Amino acid sequence: GAVVSQHPSWVICKSGTSVKIECRSLDFQATTMFWYRQFPKQSLMLMATSNEGSKATYEQGVEKDKFLINHASLTLSTLTVTSAHPEDSSFYICSAAGLYEQYFGPGTRLTVT
Amino acid sequence: AQSVTQLGSHVSVSEGALVLLRCNYSSSVPPYLFWYVQYPNQGLQLLLKYTTGATLVKGINGFEAEFKKSETSFHLTKPSAHMSDAAEYFCAVSDPVTGGGNKLTFGTGTQLKVEL
Repeated sequence: GAVVSQHPSWVICKSGTSVKIECRSLDFQATTMFWYRQFPKQSLMLMATSNEGSKATYEQGVEKDKFLINHASLTLSTLTVTSAHPEDSSFYICSAAGLYEQYFGPGTRLTVT
Repeated sequence: AQSVTQLGSHVSVSEGALVLLRCNYSSSVPPYLFWYVQYPNQGLQLLLKYTTGATLVKGINGFEAEFKKSETSFHLTKPSAHMSDAAEYFCAVSDPVTGGGNKLTFGTGTQLKVEL
C-alpha cells in the first residue's frame, strides 16, 4: 500500500507557542488528506479535510483559527497548532485518500507543557 | 448519516482461541467497510476492506471478515489468536457514493487482549 509519513513523530512545546506537523504521501499524489485527533483510549476524531489548492473543511467544533491546515502540494499537508495549550496535547494522525481507502501516517504525539 | 457500533470495548482471548470482534453499521446504502489495527503510539494499519463483490474478505495476519447486509454487520474473525494480535481494532465505514478514500466514520474501538 501507499506510504504516508509524518514529521515530527513526537514534539514537546511550551504553552503559547505554535507547532507545525507535516504529512507527506511518499509514493502517490494525494488530492485529499485528512487530519485526525486521538485522545488516550479513544477513537479517532476527524478534525478536517484538506484539499490541495483549496481551503480545508473543518468538522463542527474544530477551531479553524487554532488548527491551521495548508495543503500546498499533492504530497504535503501541514497542520499548525497555534498558541498551543495543555489541552491540545494529543495524538495527531493524518491520512491520504486513495481510490478505495485512506492511507494513514504513523501519528505525531504532541505534548504541551 | 452513517454510524458504526463496536460491541465490547475490551475483548480477552486465550492464545490459540478464536478471535471475534463485532461491528455493526448504520447506513442508508451499503457502505465500504474497513477494519484497522492500531498498536500503541502508532498510526492505523489496514487489515482488510470490503467494497464490492465477495462478501467474505480475507486480510493480513490471518484475519477475515464477512459483510452481512441483512444484519448490517462486518465482524472480524481470526481462527487462532497470537500474542502479537494484542492491539486496538477499529471498524470504519465510508460512503461508496463519494468514494472509499473519502470521509471515514470510525467505531469506538475494541482493545484485544491475548492471554497465555
